[in-house]
Amino acid sequence: GDSVTQMEGPVTLSEEAFLTINCTYTATGYPSLFWYVQYPGEGLQLLLKATKADDKGSNKGFEATYRKETTSFHLEKGSVQVSDSAVYFCALSATGAGSYQLTFGKGTKLSVIP
Amino acid sequence: DGGITQSPKYLFRKEGQNVTLSCEQNLNHDAMYWYRQDPGQGLRLIYYSQIVNDFQKGDIAEGYSVSREKKESFPLTVTSAQKNPTAFYLCASSIRGGEETQYFGPGTRLLVL
Repeated sequence: GDSVTQMEGPVTLSEEAFLTINCTYTATGYPSLFWYVQYPGEGLQLLLKATKADDKGSNKGFEATYRKETTSFHLEKGSVQVSDSAVYFCALSATGAGSYQLTFGKGTKLSVIP
Repeated sequence: DGGITQSPKYLFRKEGQNVTLSCEQNLNHDAMYWYRQDPGQGLRLIYYSQIVNDFQKGDIAEGYSVSREKKESFPLTVTSAQKNPTAFYLCASSIRGGEETQYFGPGTRLLVL
């Protein structure tokens, strides 16, 4: 079945550091890929998405490129802020009849210190 | 403002008690979903509904029940058959079933007394 593997946390960075959170997936067909962010005590917010190979999703300084050859969708940000502290989830949505489910990774907790 | 609301924010359940979590959306979305989140884990799908008066089981439906009598409402009942109900419950919706982008509510944390 479909699965998503993302790097385990927690990840602690200083403000203005470069961020990479790795995400790889296993799926049949051509899934859509997502990054969601969850702030403490809140629901998930869509951060960015990509629907086909080589697409780049971007939002709020975060970027991720859909790499079909390496089945990856790594999240990057050039300069993190304290306000970026949250849990980040990589997810995929399989295509095809009856595929209504998002498959999530376990999440990576990011803490940014001043 | 359009969005998804969940209530209550915190809910306490006694042994042998059924409890119902509310989820309402005013986004005019056809599809709605319930997920369970446990510490250090990703989200797991409990039930989903593509259209009014129709719903399907997800990966972990045992001990839960749902109804979809109105387009904007998708309540989840945690029954006494669910032996480990303590978790964070998230409701989501999408424009239609099979539309990949899902939008989430703020969640309800269920605790057992």
